Amino acid sequence: KAGVTQTPRYLIKTRGQQVTLSCSPISGHRSVSWYQQTPGQGLQFLFEYFSETQRNKGNFPGRFSGRQFSNSRSEMNVSTLELGDSALYLCASSLGGQVGYEQYFGPGTRLTVT
Amino acid sequence: AQTVTQSQPEMSVQEAETVTLSCTYDTSESDYYLFWYKQPPSRQMILVIRQEAYKQQNATENRFSVNFQKAAKSFSLKISDSQLGDAAMYFCAYRSMYSGGGADGLTFGKGTHLIIQP
Repeated sequence: KAGVTQTPRYLIKTRGQQVTLSCSPISGHRSVSWYQQTPGQGLQFLFEYFSETQRNKGNFPGRFSGRQFSNSRSEMNVSTLELGDSALYLCASSLGGQVGYEQYFGPGTRLTVT
Repeated sequence: AQTVTQSQPEMSVQEAETVTLSCTYDTSESDYYLFWYKQPPSRQMILVIRQEAYKQQNATENRFSVNFQKAAKSFSLKISDSQLGDAAMYFCAYRSMYSGGGADGLTFGKGTHLIIQP
């Protein structure tokens, strides 16, 4: 089976712009989670989607949003980019249902905001 | 809110030796999952081992094993016969068993950078 794929892998944006990141989960997986990884804050949970519904949300401002499509693919959007949004954004998929299922991570999207 | 603490920012071990990475966590819940993830320099995060809090038996996966002390809220990872390919950042993570209770998903520690000396 193909693993979790994320596009694009690298992105450079300017402050004030918006960005959309995409994640394709492993075939058959219905849950997708997003995490932000920075040197200062480490790995932080953004949100989780299961069967097109947001199941959980972390402590991030409303500029961060996401959605999941019927084929389980997910997108996250960041509006009005700030310098502090520069990070590696990781997507993880799991079978869904029970929260204890293993999460399989993608390679990440490296976002740089200038 | 739950917190996960990894007190060792960096550890170094000789190839073929054994190393233990420490992790403590703080929670008021009784049912939860604990994980160790490995993130090699290529950045793809990989699950190393998983433990359900209701199981007293320590999880084991080949050369990787954990010492789970629920009362002490401790979850250390032991790597036996260390290999060069074990070099990576290791993250300890916690997840509540109950979904939807506010901020959820995996709560990660800051990580331990493991160096393997040849």
